[in-house]
Amino acid sequence: QVQLVQSGAEVKKPGASVKVSCKASGYNFDSFGISWVRQAPGQGLEWLGWISVYNGKKNYAQKVQGRVTMTTDTSTNTAYMELRSLRSDDTAVYYCGKDLTYQEGYVDIWGQGTLVTVSS
Amino acid sequence: EIVLTQFPGTLSLSPGEGATLSCRASQSVISNYLAWYQQKSGQPPRLLIYGASTRATGIPDRFSGFGSGTDFTLTISRLEPEDFAVYYCQQYGGSPRYTFGQGTKLEIK
Repeated sequence: QVQLVQSGAEVKKPGASVKVSCKASGYNFDSFGISWVRQAPGQGLEWLGWISVYNGKKNYAQKVQGRVTMTTDTSTNTAYMELRSLRSDDTAVYYCGKDLTYQEGYVDIWGQGTLVTVSS
Repeated sequence: EIVLTQFPGTLSLSPGEGATLSCRASQSVISNYLAWYQQKSGQPPRLLIYGASTRATGIPDRFSGFGSGTDFTLTISRLEPEDFAVYYCQQYGGSPRYTFGQGTKLEIK
């Protein structure tokens, strides 16, 4: 079945970087974009960005622009999200999600989430 | 910047009752690119409705989406115990490209 499996929980110090992976299976990875969304403890959903697996086109949220890089590896059907210069308010569960259709806009399949804790 | 405001913040209802959740956009949502997601504690979101009114695959027909422009509604008829969760609306295409509402918590009365 279609699924996204994310890497495990991370604990990082302020100023460090984290790279979360999202491995896709059960569908044509090249054909659908990947979004990244995070959720701070007890808070709502925050969109971080989107990447087209097909052509590498990216859109990043202004809040993390300059600190975030999203990439994909079609040889392993894996998407990555790297966040640098971590701060305590980056502590959140990070989700990857697959586009519903060939056009971006909605996410129909989500990874299980990766908890990133930033603490000194 | 397009902002989505959901109301009420919390809705207390009993199983079997109907629910109406609202989402208001600060600007018109382009081409009604609006979705509703359900999220239960410790789980990722689940897509319910997209294009303002189209149910996603496998979503029961007790979930319905309505609206256009700046005002959108998610209705749930005959609440089941598994429907009690947090619901988010999401727009695409504005600025920022994707925005989520702050969520409505649907709790058991």
